[in-house]
Amino acid sequence: DAGVTQSPTHLIKTRGQHVTLRCSPISGHKSVSWYQQVLGQGPQFIFQYYEKEERGRGNFPDRFSARQFPNYSSELNVNALLLGDSALYLCASSLTEHYGYTFGSGTRLTVV
Amino acid sequence: GESVGLHLPTLSVQEGDNSIINCAYSNSASDYFIWYKQESGKGPQFIIDIRSNMDKRQGQRVTVLLNKTVKHLSLQIAATQPGDSAVYFCAENINTGFQKLVFGTGTRLLVSP
Repeated sequence: DAGVTQSPTHLIKTRGQHVTLRCSPISGHKSVSWYQQVLGQGPQFIFQYYEKEERGRGNFPDRFSARQFPNYSSELNVNALLLGDSALYLCASSLTEHYGYTFGSGTRLTVV
Repeated sequence: GESVGLHLPTLSVQEGDNSIINCAYSNSASDYFIWYKQESGKGPQFIIDIRSNMDKRQGQRVTVLLNKTVKHLSLQIAATQPGDSAVYFCAENINTGFQKLVFGTGTRLLVSP
């Protein structure tokens, strides 16, 4: 079975641009969470979605948004990119909105 | 591959030694704790978890200990192997109306042959 898949694996954007990152959860998993991992730190929670509804949001500006589709895949959007948005963006899926998270390999975003 | 963490605390051990990685957590109300292993260029990989009503749980070559009095977790790896070299994170599951993981700083484990 495929694990959590994220695309693209790497991308480079310019300050001020917009980016969309994509995540496909493990088949049957209905919850998707997004995390940001800055180099040298642990992942930080951005969003949790369950059954296509936002369940929770971390301490991130409104430039960050996300959605979950009927097939439970998810997109993370970041507008007006800043240099500080450079990070590894991780998606985690779980069967329910509680526990059992499996992480994807992430998307490495570099803002120049 | 790129480095996960450049200035993390580092534990260096010899192959075959036992390793102990420690973690302090912040929230007394956390009900569930997980240890993750992260290799360069990859996402966190689940190792072992423990619920707050337990103080010890064992897996294959790994043991997690939970001390709620001092809000401390430890991961013990028996007979450490070079393939265990990675960055290890503890995470606490916090329920504030929704579930989120709060990760610790991370510890780099280096295993020499």
